[in-house]
Amino acid sequence: GAVVSQHPSWVICKSGTSVKIECRSLDFQATTMFWYRQFPKKSLMLMATSNEGSKATYEQGVEKDKFLINHASLTLSTLTVTSAHPEDSSFYICSVSSGLAGNTIYFGEGSWLTVV
Amino acid sequence: GQQVMQIPQYQHVQEGEDFTTYCNSSTTLSNIQWYKQRPGGHPVFLIQLVKSGEVKKQKRLTFQFGEAKKNSSLHITATQTTDVGTYFCAGPVGGGSNYKLTFGKGTLLTVNP
Repeated sequence: GAVVSQHPSWVICKSGTSVKIECRSLDFQATTMFWYRQFPKKSLMLMATSNEGSKATYEQGVEKDKFLINHASLTLSTLTVTSAHPEDSSFYICSVSSGLAGNTIYFGEGSWLTVV
Repeated sequence: GQQVMQIPQYQHVQEGEDFTTYCNSSTTLSNIQWYKQRPGGHPVFLIQLVKSGEVKKQKRLTFQFGEAKKNSSLHITATQTTDVGTYFCAGPVGGGSNYKLTFGKGTLLTVNP
């Protein structure tokens, strides 16, 4: 299966600052990556679909200006949480599609964000 | 929009007991996928079912896809402590560049040794 690397695994930041999370596809070139958010003991909430070389597609209710997504290359997508607030504290996970029949999704290890 | 519902939300069993989680979609699915997320970890792909009525087995895990391709189940026989985690089903929405997965809320399985 695809190997997806996410960095950092843990990050603590102060309110009002910005934090960048990187997602790398190590096995193959990914034209599409997905960003999810997960609260403790809750399901995965799709935030946006990151498209290489074009603007990300955001899900309803997700603020584009707050969660900036950049997919500058076929192996790297970044999520920047701008002007972070404590309520942004969560587990952020990226994933890539295998591109095979059925489009199996492979997840990164996730990034725990704590805003203090 | 498409909804994927999963029950139960929580299940606690004694080691050796069986466990089943059920998934229902509001629409017909082209395929259904199952993922497992260990506590503190990230979701890991388990299996994909494509055909109507399909049944697949992975050791003690049995996955079924309903005839109408709107429901699915995961059954674990004789649970072990290593089975602890949250099991998610997911169904695809859209196609091509609009492809994405809708996840159920998951079933958290805890196993008492």
